[in-house]
Amino acid sequence: RKEVEQDPGPFNVPEGATVAFNCTYSNSASQSFFWYRQDCRKEPKLLMSVYSSGNEDGRFTAQLNRASQYISLLIRDSKLSDSATYLCVVNMNSGNTPLVFGKGTRLSVIA
Amino acid sequence: DTGVSQNPRHKITKRGQNVTFRCDPISEHNRLYWYRQTLGQGPEFLTYFQNEAQLEKSRLLSDRFSAERPKGSFSTLEIQRTEQGDSAMYLCASSTWGGNYGYTFGSGTRLTVV
Repeated sequence: RKEVEQDPGPFNVPEGATVAFNCTYSNSASQSFFWYRQDCRKEPKLLMSVYSSGNEDGRFTAQLNRASQYISLLIRDSKLSDSATYLCVVNMNSGNTPLVFGKGTRLSVIA
Repeated sequence: DTGVSQNPRHKITKRGQNVTFRCDPISEHNRLYWYRQTLGQGPEFLTYFQNEAQLEKSRLLSDRFSAERPKGSFSTLEIQRTEQGDSAMYLCASSTWGGNYGYTFGSGTRLTVV
């Protein structure tokens, strides 16, 4: 089993749609979780951290289910500018191990 | 300090040549990471430093690869005797201890081996 697995995509959605990405991780001892956004031929940029209680930032909502080792990202009212690859990222230990990245899920928002 | 800086942005080299990349992290970050990313994949960990100490190296880091961070500030990644399979984006990132708030990445160095 891969350490971090994501829906492969691509997701092609119309503007205004709600889209959800899922991610599973293999190590139950994992401590920190993030979603990064990566535009084509650019570096990954931190979108949001994922907390146990779930967290929201504008149109973006992240959820963590430790029992199922599952992370999700929900984007509401999709904009054309949301088109990018979304990377699920996990810190497998207490911070002494490097972040592990999923392969990413590509989102295309269509007018 | 505006972020993580990487040089060069692009590098085209002939197979068998040596290349060196440089990364300048955010000044107050004591951890520095090197990742490699190929098309359709997420970034893959290569190695990381805490200050000047290299704490971990991935199995991806063959003996042709070497990284240094001599004064705990900037870092260099050298690839000797490049192969076509080394073609990738090489990303540098930095963080405060533990990276519990995530990493900040540089713009990367895109290497093409011809």
